[in-house]
Amino acid sequence: DGGITQSPKYLFRKEGQNVTLSCEQNLNHDAMYWYRQDPGQGLRLIYYSQIVNDFQKGDIAEGYSVSREKKESFPLTVTSAQKNPTAFYLCASTRGTGGPADTQYFGPGTRLTVL
Amino acid sequence: SQQGEEDPQALSIQEGENATMNCSYKTSINNLQWYRQNSGRGLVHLILIRSNEREKHSGRLRVTLDTSKKSSSLLITASRAADTASYFCATGALLPSSGSARQLTFGSGTQLTVLP
Repeated sequence: DGGITQSPKYLFRKEGQNVTLSCEQNLNHDAMYWYRQDPGQGLRLIYYSQIVNDFQKGDIAEGYSVSREKKESFPLTVTSAQKNPTAFYLCASTRGTGGPADTQYFGPGTRLTVL
Repeated sequence: SQQGEEDPQALSIQEGENATMNCSYKTSINNLQWYRQNSGRGLVHLILIRSNEREKHSGRLRVTLDTSKKSSSLLITASRAADTASYFCATGALLPSSGSARQLTFGSGTQLTVLP
């Protein structure tokens, strides 16, 4: 079964802690993306990566970090510098490097709550 | 600001009725995509319409695109309770430092509720 998996499904963080959200895909897709979704809102791009060992900031990268050491994995770290991290985080991938007709395939999401 | 904005924000209909959602955008596009999101889940791609197309069908879905008005509509015919979800339109914009790669920009969505 091909797809994108995210873990954990729910994550609780204390203030001042860093946490890492996992995203894995076995679709052999080139590009991967991280989005943040707040209640009643659309998705905002945090980071994206078109190839291994390369990634770029999206619209709201402050307080987040990523790595892309393997094609299939794109973990997101929410650092203590992120002032309002409580949100729903979605990982996505595209077969190509994000051309105009590329469809994004999404994982099931991780809900992060700061206690 | 968001490129695509859906209208209405919320829509409630009876099973069997048709549901129409609209999307407006601001800049030129190559294509426009519609996605569906069930509560607390990831997004699922529904349909893509290219800028040179005016209408596209997929099962019970019909999408129209009017580039002169910078708007698109999604029609779901003969709705079912299982169609209850949020629906988002997404348009592509060039990602910085990426060559030809594009970022999908999503609107805030239309929450559709289909009552049995």
